[in-house]
Amino acid sequence: AQSVTQLDSQVPVFEEAPVELRCNYSSSVSVYLFWYVQYPNQGLQLLLKYLSGSTLVKGINGFEAEFNKSQTSFHLRKPSVHISDTAEYFCAVLYGSSNTGKLIFGQGTTLQVKP
Amino acid sequence: DSGVTQTPKHLITATGQRVTLRCSPRSGDLSVYWYQQSLDQGLQFLIQYYNGEERAKGNILERFSAQQFPDLHSELNLSSLELGDSALYFCASSVGLPTDTQYFGPGTRLTVL
Repeated sequence: AQSVTQLDSQVPVFEEAPVELRCNYSSSVSVYLFWYVQYPNQGLQLLLKYLSGSTLVKGINGFEAEFNKSQTSFHLRKPSVHISDTAEYFCAVLYGSSNTGKLIFGQGTTLQVKP
Repeated sequence: DSGVTQTPKHLITATGQRVTLRCSPRSGDLSVYWYQQSLDQGLQFLIQYYNGEERAKGNILERFSAQQFPDLHSELNLSSLELGDSALYFCASSVGLPTDTQYFGPGTRLTVL
């Protein structure tokens, strides 16, 4: 079955500390991976995506993620968080072809950055 | 601002009714996607249209239907509404493929009473 698991529903962290948000997915022949952020009362915004090539992907706002095929993981990291990073983060996997695939989302992780 | 617009922003209706949600994609984008976000189901893909044709289907109920018009705007029709249909409905658009960056609209919050 196609599934995406975000291992932590909430991650509290102090400002300027590093953070890692974990994501695992059920394996698939083709792997297209995404991280989205949702600020309160807003739509989703793409942080980064992995389609092919280097397993370390850099995104906006200082975030990066590493694709690990053997562990079927795509964890999101940031070396130093800001108060403004407080939001809901969604990991997503495109199952199927790049042409007709369906985006399956994890349940989300709430990142709470404390001063 | 993603460039994707959705109307209305809020919708309150009664069980058994029918509603239409509207989405205008970013200029130049040919694909439109619909998603449902609810507390119990999370964020679920409903359907994708590309240049007026249905391209992919997800967990969309038979009571729900969508279409994309020649000017590329899209409408999601929800009928015989149930309490459980209360959710935030997002539209997203991309240039073409699902692997392209999808830009999300602000959503329509549907409340079924």
